[in-house]
Amino acid sequence: NSKVIQTPRYLVKGQGQKAKMRCIPEKGHPVVFWYQQNKNNEFKFLINFQNQEVLQQIDMTEKRFSAECPSNSPCSLEIQSSEAGDSALYLCASSLDTEVFFGKGTRLTVV
Amino acid sequence: QQQVRQSPQSLTVWEGETAILNCSYEDSTFNYFPWYQQFPGEGPALLISIRSVSDKKEDGRFTIFFNKREKKLSLHITDSQPGDSATYFCAASDSNNRIFFGDGTQLVVKP
Repeated sequence: NSKVIQTPRYLVKGQGQKAKMRCIPEKGHPVVFWYQQNKNNEFKFLINFQNQEVLQQIDMTEKRFSAECPSNSPCSLEIQSSEAGDSALYLCASSLDTEVFFGKGTRLTVV
Repeated sequence: QQQVRQSPQSLTVWEGETAILNCSYEDSTFNYFPWYQQFPGEGPALLISIRSVSDKKEDGRFTIFFNKREKKLSLHITDSQPGDSATYFCAASDSNNRIFFGDGTQLVVKP
C-alpha cells in the first residue's frame, strides 16, 4: 500500500486563481514525481525531483506551474493562474529505486 | 507518439474467467514494466511489475507475460472477481525512471 500522502483531496478554484497542492512522499524515497491525469485517463508527466533538485520538467511546468521539494517539508505543486484546462487529477508519486508509488491525488476543478 | 499502447479499451468478463489485457511499447530502451490498478476517485496502485530480463512474472492471480522481441506484454487475471473491476494501466520506464503510461483498459467483472 502506498504511503504517499497528498492534500487536499479536492480543490476548487476560479480561473486566474492560484492552486496549490501538497505531497508527502514515502519516507526514504529520494525521487518525487508529479503527473496530471485528465478526464480521459491520460497521464501527463509534469516534473520530477531527486533530493530537492529538479531532474526533468516539461515546458508547461516551467511557465505556469511551480514546484518544489524542500528538505523536511512537504513537496508542493502550484499553478500560478489556473485555467479551465487545468481541471484534472494531480498525482504525486515517490520512488526509492524502480518501483513508483502514487498517492490518492488532488482533484482540481477550475470553474 | 504514443509510447505505450493498450488493448482492449474496455473488457467485460464473468466472475471466474481469465481476463487478458494487452500492451505494446515503442522504445526498446524501456526495461521496467509496471501495471497499475486504479479505482474511481483513487490514485493508481502498483499491482505487479516485470523487468525486461524476464519473460514471466506471477503474483497470485496476476501474471505478466513479456515478449521483448515483439515489444509486447500482457496481464492475465485468473479467476476474476467483481472486486477486480477497475482500470488497469500498463506502463514502461527506462533508466531515468520516468514512466510512460498507456491509456488504460477498463475491466468489468460481472458476478
